[in-house]
Amino acid sequence: GQQLNQSPQSMFIQEGEDVSMNCTSSSIFNTWLWYKQEPGEGPVLLIALYKAGELTSNGRLTAQFGITRKDSFLNISASIPSDVGIYFCAGSPNTGNQFYFGTGTSLTVIP
Amino acid sequence: DTAVSQTPKYLVTQMGNDKSIKCEQNLGHDTMYWYKQDSKKFLKIMFSYNNKELIINETVPNRFSPKSPDKAHLNLHINSLELGDSAVYFCASSHSGATDTQYFGPGTRLTVL
Repeated sequence: GQQLNQSPQSMFIQEGEDVSMNCTSSSIFNTWLWYKQEPGEGPVLLIALYKAGELTSNGRLTAQFGITRKDSFLNISASIPSDVGIYFCAGSPNTGNQFYFGTGTSLTVIP
Repeated sequence: DTAVSQTPKYLVTQMGNDKSIKCEQNLGHDTMYWYKQDSKKFLKIMFSYNNKELIINETVPNRFSPKSPDKAHLNLHINSLELGDSAVYFCASSHSGATDTQYFGPGTRLTVL
């Protein structure tokens, strides 16, 4: 199956810094989702994107559906300690019937 | 008001045993899934059911058998457990099609000794 590449693989940042991560695929996707997973928990949906170029915010989080439809970006502004976790992208391709998940970006926020 | 629930949260068992994991969703969704998350945190879909009908069956050993008694429940039975089955198993559900936004359960950490 498809695997989406996320970068960076891990990030260690100071509280208050902004964070950027991205997700790329070799195929065109119709839908992009961003999830956050905290230790011992299941992934929780943060943002869903349905149209190329779409920019959607959820509090301090902003995600964009890349115009090539082969990538997506997630930004977190003014990070806080509770932002710690693994962030996953997931995409559904044009001709597919399921979501494929990215490799994850592990975020550590240092107070 | 738990949306997607799984039991048990932790499961420790010996190689060769048979075990089941249960999943229930109270969101009124039509589609349910099982995912496996390995030690590198990679999430891979195993099965998907829509209205009790199997629609996705990825390359999974036939020791794994999903059962959906109704559209709110999707259980996973595993026969003859092997060391490599150790992982976290997540149940998820979505409104209708497999490309609708999916909501995940808290996971079941399976350890095979």
